[in-house]
Amino acid sequence: GQNIDQPTEMTATEGAIVQINCTYQTSGFNGLFWYQQHAGEAPTFLSYNVLDGLEEKGRFSSFLSRSKGYSYLLLKELQMKDSASYLCAVDDYKLSFGAGTTVTVRA
Amino acid sequence: GAVVSQHPSRVICKSGTSVKIECRSLDFQATTMFWYRQFPKQSLMLMATSNEGSKATYEQGVEKDKFLINHASLTLSTLTVTSAHPEDSSFYICSARDFAGVSTDTQYFGPGTRLTVL
Repeated sequence: GQNIDQPTEMTATEGAIVQINCTYQTSGFNGLFWYQQHAGEAPTFLSYNVLDGLEEKGRFSSFLSRSKGYSYLLLKELQMKDSASYLCAVDDYKLSFGAGTTVTVRA
Repeated sequence: GAVVSQHPSRVICKSGTSVKIECRSLDFQATTMFWYRQFPKQSLMLMATSNEGSKATYEQGVEKDKFLINHASLTLSTLTVTSAHPEDSSFYICSARDFAGVSTDTQYFGPGTRLTVL
């Protein structure tokens, strides 16, 4: 079976940094996605990690350690519009999603 | 990036009726499409995997006779919720995968369909 864990909620201040951790135990692994989802909308792609290490895309970075079954999404210079749910998803041909982490950014 | 559309975006129907949701890949051929369901404050749950020209593969616990999936072409998959009941009210999202793509981020989500069954 698939087991993907991430924190339920996180709160941070505008301009700060937040790190969302994701641990996984899955039967197969081709890569790991991070998606952002605002309420009532479909997920939008943020990052995809296949190899170990850090992938940086502007204010968002994602890290993967396959041997540890661990990934994190780093959000820097937080803005109010970053308030959303962040979903970790393991790619095994089909995606298995974590429950999502609701990030609230406060002024 | 690639675009996936869904129609309708929102539908309200009476209990017992059937509802069809379309998912289209607009600028690539999607050999595989996925259908997800999301209840409020919960994550996406995969319902089925739809492969062009063959029968869909349903996840455990999803009734294949209730959720009919047709993937007749490389750009269109449809999900029909038959004899809908209020407990079927949910946010249905499709995604399309382009295995021929050169980019690694080749799973694209549609905008979703909000189904409300009265």
